[in-house]
Amino acid sequence: QKEVEQNSGPLSVPEGAIASLNCTYSDRGSQSFFWYRQYSGKSPELIMFIYSNGDKEDGRFTAQLNKASQYVSLLIRDSQPSDSATYLCAGPNRDDKIIFGKGTRLHILP
Amino acid sequence: DAGVIQSPRHEVTEMGQEVTLRCKPISGHNSLFWYRQTMMRGLELLIYFNNNVPIDDSGMPEDRFSAKMPNASFSTLKIQPSEPRDSAVYFCASSFRVSGRAYEQYFGPGTRLTVT
Repeated sequence: QKEVEQNSGPLSVPEGAIASLNCTYSDRGSQSFFWYRQYSGKSPELIMFIYSNGDKEDGRFTAQLNKASQYVSLLIRDSQPSDSATYLCAGPNRDDKIIFGKGTRLHILP
Repeated sequence: DAGVIQSPRHEVTEMGQEVTLRCKPISGHNSLFWYRQTMMRGLELLIYFNNNVPIDDSGMPEDRFSAKMPNASFSTLKIQPSEPRDSAVYFCASSFRVSGRAYEQYFGPGTRLTVT
């Protein structure tokens, strides 16, 4: 099993709806996760990080970490066309290296 | 504050030539990472440094690749000789890493390398 897995998408969501992005990981010892947004032709930009079980909210973004089920998700409320991008999930493996998923392409439909 | 700085932003070279990519991390950060991104393989970690010392270079594809970090504010990634399959976007990232906890990485704008 790959260390961090994401559905590549594309995920299409109507403007104003909630976009839900998911990521699963294999290392049960992982304690923290990061979500990066990458626009086409640009570099990854950190948008959220979560260190503990449960939810963390920042504006329209909510990160959710479920250690028992080994998944982490990102919810984007009131989706905007500017949210259209690739979202990368990342977390440490047992060697403490940050491993990135391949990303989910999100397309917000105006 | 300036973010991570990379140069050049674009590089086009012929197969067999030497390519040198440069990176200046965020001031005060103690870890530096070199990544390669392609459509097929996604974002791959090539090598990372902690306090200027290479910690893990297991991602370096082969001996044609080498990286150095002579001081806390500068690093290079060299490919010699370059091959068409090295064509990719190369990102440098930096972070402030404290032992025992995960760390946020901040990426530079990347260098788009094309080897013909």
